[in-house]
Amino acid sequence: GENVEQHPSTLSVQEGDSAVIKCTYSDSASNYFPWYKQELGKRPQLIIDIRSNVGEKKDQRIAVTLNKTAKHFSLHITETQPEDSAVYFCAASSDTGNQFYFGTGTSLTVIP
Amino acid sequence: GAVVSQHPSRVICKSGTSVKIECRSLDFQATTMFWYRQFPKQSLMLMATSNEGSKATYEQGVEKDKFLINHASLTLSTLTVTSAHPEDSSFYICSADSSNPSSYNEQFFGPGTRLTVL
Repeated sequence: GENVEQHPSTLSVQEGDSAVIKCTYSDSASNYFPWYKQELGKRPQLIIDIRSNVGEKKDQRIAVTLNKTAKHFSLHITETQPEDSAVYFCAASSDTGNQFYFGTGTSLTVIP
Repeated sequence: GAVVSQHPSRVICKSGTSVKIECRSLDFQATTMFWYRQFPKQSLMLMATSNEGSKATYEQGVEKDKFLINHASLTLSTLTVTSAHPEDSSFYICSADSSNPSSYNEQFFGPGTRLTVL
């Protein structure tokens, strides 16, 4: 089955700086890669996603890059703000069943 | 659109009892729903895929006789934790497949159910 690894597990940045979170996956059939933000005790919220036919996608301060050959994808948050502080999860899925396999999570703290 | 609800939001039960958690898609039909378990400060672990009208598909290591899943309609899937024990205490989250072709693959998550087994 799919195995998704995520790094780092914790990340602290100064407000205004950039944050980068990286994930790798093992199943070459995976073709959909969402990123979720989860606040304590709440449901994961989709913040951005990318499909395997695209190498990069951007939405305001958030961007995701995908390297299919290397099987890794990254989340980039620019101009970080304190409200960006949360746990972020990457995930991978394929068209076969659409099961999501999540990374281990990154606890991001943005220091004012 | 694409709202998923869960009930109850919190449940406390005694060891040995069974607990049923409901997952509903409120404004769309979901032929496939998924159940996840999340321990404190850990990731979401996929437990099973719930298919309307057929048996659920369980991930390796998940006991199907302990975690009973029923997907009786296109808007409702239930997870029953049978003979619950303290180690089953966790945050259980369901999700549903998007039925919108433009957001294929996307899953919509319920708010989760906090289960505490005493």
